[in-house]
Amino acid sequence: AQRVTQPEKLLSVFKGAPVELKCNYSYSGSPELFWYVQYSRQRLQLLLRHISRESIKGFTADLNKGETSFHLKKPFAQEEDSAMYYCALATGTDKLIFGTGTRLQVFP
Amino acid sequence: DTAVSQTPKYLVTQMGNDKSIKCEQNLGHDTMYWYKQDSKKFLKIMFSYNNKELIINETVPNRFSPKSPDKAHLNLHINSLELGDSAVYFCASSQPPASAFFGQGTRLTVV
Repeated sequence: AQRVTQPEKLLSVFKGAPVELKCNYSYSGSPELFWYVQYSRQRLQLLLRHISRESIKGFTADLNKGETSFHLKKPFAQEEDSAMYYCALATGTDKLIFGTGTRLQVFP
Repeated sequence: DTAVSQTPKYLVTQMGNDKSIKCEQNLGHDTMYWYKQDSKKFLKIMFSYNNKELIINETVPNRFSPKSPDKAHLNLHINSLELGDSAVYFCASSQPPASAFFGQGTRLTVV
């Protein structure tokens, strides 16, 4: 079955603390993985994708096929990082499925 | 210009009514989606269209009927609205394997 699991519904940290948002996937094919972010009352927008292997707003994510994970990390959280974060898996050409999301709260 | 636009942004209606949400993308993408985001912010795929053809129809009541007049448009019609239909509905488009672009969402409130 194709599935994306984000085990944490809420992650609360203080400003400057490291952040790791967990994402595990289940897919028998070659996965395309993404992280999307949704700031308060805004549309979802792409944060990063595993193919690009880039760092956006200080966030990075590494695809670990052995552990079927794509965790999102940032060494020093900022207040403006507070948002909903969704991990997504593209299967084939026509389906993009999302995890249930993790709300990140960064306190001052 | 907005890449993916949805109308209306807000929709308040009574139970039992029929309503439509429109979505248009100007990106030339072949694939369009409808997602439902509930009050807990869970995001669930409802439908996926590729070049005007229905590809995915997840477990969604048949009161929900998507229509794609052309590959730039994917509208969502909902019959006999129920309280549980209240949610934010997002339209998105993509050109696989690229990522998806989302509309701003339509907040539907059924009273």
